[in-house]
Amino acid sequence: DAKTTQPPSMDCAEGRAANLPCNHSTISGNEYVYWYRQIHSQGPQYIIHGLKNNETNEMASLIITEDRKSSTLILPHATLRDTAVYYCIVRVKGQGAQKLVFGQGTRLTINP
Amino acid sequence: GAVVSQHPSRVICKSGTSVKIECRSLDFQATTMFWYRQFPKQSLMLMATSNEGSKATYEQGVEKDKFLINHASLTLSTLTVTSAHPEDSSFYICSAEGRADTQYFGPGTRLTVL
Repeated sequence: DAKTTQPPSMDCAEGRAANLPCNHSTISGNEYVYWYRQIHSQGPQYIIHGLKNNETNEMASLIITEDRKSSTLILPHATLRDTAVYYCIVRVKGQGAQKLVFGQGTRLTINP
Repeated sequence: GAVVSQHPSRVICKSGTSVKIECRSLDFQATTMFWYRQFPKQSLMLMATSNEGSKATYEQGVEKDKFLINHASLTLSTLTVTSAHPEDSSFYICSAEGRADTQYFGPGTRLTVL
């Protein structure tokens, strides 16, 4: 079973920031939070990951609460091409390749 | 970097035939690759873990004799669906672990069994 909980769907206006929440209240100290997205009929695309500090890259920002029980993925200026299912996954790093357990994700729709 | 390819992207076959899907890591080596299956409107479900030079590890409920996995090199894993039936029609996706313990996914293969 997935160790994360996400809202099933969200809407956001084009050009606005999209904030996608994720709860991972049972996360372990050595587990990282990873975000992927899947555009229709494509393989998942890696977005960002973090342990406890906030992270930012060219695609998004990841905000992790101090207790690490939840996080928020932020797409600062959403475009229509950001419409996809977003998956929040927790996993351990540094112990070799590990399988990812996908939940149902959040279906984000960007509206013009 | 960290590109994973799959071939074919789409395949249609008759019931009872076998289909082979290739997964390649193009710019990195991967001792471990993963195979997932996704049915319409559902999430990805892990089928098996493919280990270079050894036997694959299958998830519970996945028939190893039906879904044959071969990981002959550090850049290639293959999934063969043997004696395919309409219920095997699905979207098959592979992934490989690249830099910084991050998994990268292939574009997927749409299998339709008539």
